[in-house]
Amino acid sequence: QKEVEQNSGPLSVPEGAIASLNCTYSDRGSQSFFWYRQYSGKSPELIMSIYSNGDKEDGRFTAQLNKASQYVSLLIRDSQPSDSATYLCAVNTFGSSASKIIFGSGTRLSIRP
Amino acid sequence: DAGVIQSPRHEVTEMGQEVTLRCKPISGHDYLFWYRQTMMRGLELLIYFNNNVPIDDSGMPEDRFSAKMPNASFSTLKIQPSEPRDSAVYFCASSLSSDTQYFGPGTRLTVL
Repeated sequence: QKEVEQNSGPLSVPEGAIASLNCTYSDRGSQSFFWYRQYSGKSPELIMSIYSNGDKEDGRFTAQLNKASQYVSLLIRDSQPSDSATYLCAVNTFGSSASKIIFGSGTRLSIRP
Repeated sequence: DAGVIQSPRHEVTEMGQEVTLRCKPISGHDYLFWYRQTMMRGLELLIYFNNNVPIDDSGMPEDRFSAKMPNASFSTLKIQPSEPRDSAVYFCASSLSSDTQYFGPGTRLTVL
């Protein structure tokens, strides 16, 4: 079982609709959760971080965390063509000697006009 | 701030050659990470440093890979000898803590 799992997609959403991206993780001790956006040929950029159960909103983006279910999601409201990218879920996990961030394989999102 | 700087941006080399990738983290950041990204394996953490000291190198694929951080503003990732399967995009990232990371533009490595 992978430590951080995402559906690879592609996820196709009409412009203006809500895009919902999901991620599950295996380490119950994880405390920090991140969503990165990566455009084709570019580097990942952080768009959201969340540390507590519940919702965190930033503009059109909402991150949702449920530690009991080991589940984190990202909602994008009023989707725009510029939101088309790969979205990487990242979770901090504790190894034998130190904590580190583990990335999921990413979900490719396509916003159709 | 200039952000994380990586060089070269593209590298094409032949199998067996030594490859050195370079990274300058954001000033003041005390964590530095090296990642490799491929279509097949996604984004993999190779090694990370805290205050110039390697903390976790469990992701380094094999002895052909080595990384150093001689000071707070410079790190290298070396592959010797290089093999075609090392072809990937290599990212360097830095952070103020071990959580929120800022990525450089990456080095696209092709080993023929």
